[in-house]
Amino acid sequence: NAGVTQTPKFQVLKTGQSMTLQCAQDMNHNSMYWYRQDPGMGLRLIYYSASEGTTDKGEVPNGYNVSRLNKREFSLRLESAAPSQTSVYFCASRGTRGEQYFGPGTRLTVT
Amino acid sequence: ELKVEQNPLFLSMQEGKNYTIYCNYSTTSDRLYWYRQDPGKSLESLFVLLSNGAVKQEGRLMASLDTKARLSTLHITAAVHDLSATYFCAVNYGGATNKLIFGTGTLLAVQP
Repeated sequence: NAGVTQTPKFQVLKTGQSMTLQCAQDMNHNSMYWYRQDPGMGLRLIYYSASEGTTDKGEVPNGYNVSRLNKREFSLRLESAAPSQTSVYFCASRGTRGEQYFGPGTRLTVT
Repeated sequence: ELKVEQNPLFLSMQEGKNYTIYCNYSTTSDRLYWYRQDPGKSLESLFVLLSNGAVKQEGRLMASLDTKARLSTLHITAAVHDLSATYFCAVNYGGATNKLIFGTGTLLAVQP
């Protein structure tokens, strides 16, 4: 079992460029999440998906879109990147007791 | 607005000492989680606390939950260097969706 995987691990964008962060899990979980982590802060929820085809906003959804392609995959898209979106992005899926399993993260820098 | 506050934010302790990290939250919740994060790494689940009075222990770490006081504690017994990491508590605010609000984290540095 790979658990939760994310690609890419690192990315540098220029302001205004777009990109998609990919996430996949092989634990047959229904719920998946996207978070961002900024220095000195805890994680903040961007979007959530309860199942294939459904998504819901979290605390900080502005500037992001998501797609739940199937049960395994949940992608996060930045349509027009801004320096304020420089962060580490984590994807997670939810286990049976509500605990979340996190991927390794994507470090994104927007210049 | 739901807030989750941890204290202290930074804790430097000597090996062999005991200490407690506190996690206070501002609204009713029935689930609380503790995670560990090593520098540059992802988050690892430590404890799942699902009811008032819940106590879980793993090695030198023990977590408890008091839902009436809206307080969870993470107690460290006889600290060792390998426990150095950032510890986060997270509170479920979304009911069945299990959306979480994270505390800002406690950076623990255990000095040999």
